[in-house]
Amino acid sequence: GDSVTQMEGPVTLSEEACLTINCTYTATGYPSLFWYVQYPGEGLQLLLKATKADDKGSNKGFEATYRKETTSFHLEKGSVQVSDSAVYFCALSGGGSEKLVFGKGTKLTVNP
Amino acid sequence: NAGVTQTPKFRILKIGQSMTLQCTQDMNHNYMYWYRQDPGMGLKLIYYSVGAGITDKGEVPNGYNVSRSTTEDFPLRLELAAPSQTSVYFCASSYFRGVETQYFGPGTRLLVL
Repeated sequence: GDSVTQMEGPVTLSEEACLTINCTYTATGYPSLFWYVQYPGEGLQLLLKATKADDKGSNKGFEATYRKETTSFHLEKGSVQVSDSAVYFCALSGGGSEKLVFGKGTKLTVNP
Repeated sequence: NAGVTQTPKFRILKIGQSMTLQCTQDMNHNYMYWYRQDPGMGLKLIYYSVGAGITDKGEVPNGYNVSRSTTEDFPLRLELAAPSQTSVYFCASSYFRGVETQYFGPGTRLLVL
């Protein structure tokens, strides 16, 4: 079945450091790919998405590019802030399905 | 606009007790979902509904039941609580088929002792 593998955390960075969180997937067909963010004590929020190969999703300074050849959707940010501290989830949805398949999540802590 | 609301925020149950987790959305969404999130794990789909009167099993439905009598409400029922059901439960909803528009509630933390 479909699955998502993302890098193990936790990740601790200093403010203004560069961030990369790796995400690879296994799916039949052409899934849509997502990054969700969960701030402490809150539910998940959609951060960005890409629906076809080579699409780049972006939001709040974060970016991720849908790479079909490497089945990857890595999350990047050039300069993180303390307010980016959260758990980040990579997820996919296969071919119009209403179901999301999540990775295990990566906890990011950004220190001042 | 409240979005997706869940009650209670936190609950402790004894083994064998029953309870209902409430979920309500005020966005007139057709699709609703229940997920559980175990420590260090991603969310797993328990049940979902594509409209009032229609429900279906997700990845981990055992030990749970749902109903969807109205568009707004999608309660999750635990009949005989077990320690393995200790988790954080999230309800979500979406209008369109497909997942990009899923909106999540703040979650219910459940501890079964």
